[in-house]
Amino acid sequence: AQRVTQPEKLLSVFKGAPVELKCNYSYSGSPELFWYVQYSRQRLQLLLRHISRESIKGFTADLNKGETSFHLKKPFAQEEDSAMYYCALSVWITGGGNKLTFGTGTQLKVEL
Amino acid sequence: EAGVAQSPRYKIIEKRQSVAFWCNPISGHATLYWYQQILGQGPKLLIQFQNNGVVDDSQLPKDRFSAERLKGVDSTLKIQPAKLEDSAVYLCASSTSPSYEQYFGPGTRLTVT
Repeated sequence: AQRVTQPEKLLSVFKGAPVELKCNYSYSGSPELFWYVQYSRQRLQLLLRHISRESIKGFTADLNKGETSFHLKKPFAQEEDSAMYYCALSVWITGGGNKLTFGTGTQLKVEL
Repeated sequence: EAGVAQSPRYKIIEKRQSVAFWCNPISGHATLYWYQQILGQGPKLLIQFQNNGVVDDSQLPKDRFSAERLKGVDSTLKIQPAKLEDSAVYLCASSTSPSYEQYFGPGTRLTVT
């Protein structure tokens, strides 16, 4: 069965410092990975997906199939980056469609 | 465009009582999802609809949970009877198709006492 692991419940960094939120997955098939973010009092929303290979709000994530990882990185943290971040794995399901499996999330706190 | 709507936002019930949640997806979105998010955990998919048909309900506790999607638009999720461990936030999401971005509603926070 597929699984997503986010080892850190809380990550605290200073403004301007680099950020790396860790995500590891287990899946026997071809993975599709996402990062979702939930800002305070807002809805869960998509931040980025690995197939897009784009940078959103300065964040990037590279899929490393050898290490089965999809870590989220940003070179310089901003106060507005403080939020809950979830890594998610999409797998194909019988009957058609994709199913998302979420990790437990990492709370990022950017301190001044 | 209007986002995914859910009601109620909060609900407190006693164990063994029944409760129902309602979701109105974004117009035109064929795929609708219900997730359960227990405190300290990530969202867990309970059921996924494609139009008004069920695509996946493998993690839905069918002895007490039921869901339907009327005419391929709105959806209701029901718990009968509720248990203490059902206390969670219930999230509804929708997408244009299963492989596209999911848009989440604000969630319903259920407390079972």
